[in-house]
Amino acid sequence: GAVVSQHPSRVICKSGTSVKIECRSLDFQATTMFWYRQFPKKSLMLMATSNEGSKATYEQGVEKDKFLINHASLTLSTLTVTSAHPEDSSFYICSARDQRGNSYNEQFFGPGTRLTVL
Amino acid sequence: AQSVTQLGSHVSVSEGALVLLRCNYSSSVPPYLFWYVQYPNQGLQLLLKYTSAATLVKGINGFEAEFKKSETSFHLTKPSAHMRDAAEYFCAVSDLGNNDMRFGAGTRLTVKP
Repeated sequence: GAVVSQHPSRVICKSGTSVKIECRSLDFQATTMFWYRQFPKKSLMLMATSNEGSKATYEQGVEKDKFLINHASLTLSTLTVTSAHPEDSSFYICSARDQRGNSYNEQFFGPGTRLTVL
Repeated sequence: AQSVTQLGSHVSVSEGALVLLRCNYSSSVPPYLFWYVQYPNQGLQLLLKYTSAATLVKGINGFEAEFKKSETSFHLTKPSAHMRDAAEYFCAVSDLGNNDMRFGAGTRLTVKP
């Protein structure tokens, strides 16, 4: 099956620093990756859609200068939280869409990254 | 715009009892529907999916769901709950190209011994 990895799984940083989270599709090419944010005991909220080789599309209310997304290859997308603050602490989950002939282009989810900003 | 509503943020059942987690959807186009399970501090694992084929969908771990267009529902069931089923469950809907997946608020399932 399709596997998506995220690195790191957990990160703690000081307020004001930037943190980069990687999302990789390990055994398939993903032209589209998605970034979600999940608050404690809440559902997933789509932050942005990342297309390989082009600018990400951000959901309303998500600051693109705060959450920088790069999708430089068909297997890697990165989310950089710039000048992180405690309110950015959350669980960030990525997914990658497998387009190897599936009729519905299923999304496969990474294991998530727990970000804690002190 | 598509959306799903999960009725009941918390469901508690006894081990061996029937599990029923409710999901209703709203979509202007034929929907694709999904159920995911999330264990603490982990990502999402796909339980099952409806993609316009059979309306009764069987998934992993003994779960199944039935797509009922007339009721705009996609409820998740399991005949006999096991302790390991305790987790958070999310219903999700997407369009044909899966360009826009929207999740419900989630239902926490507790299984009592």
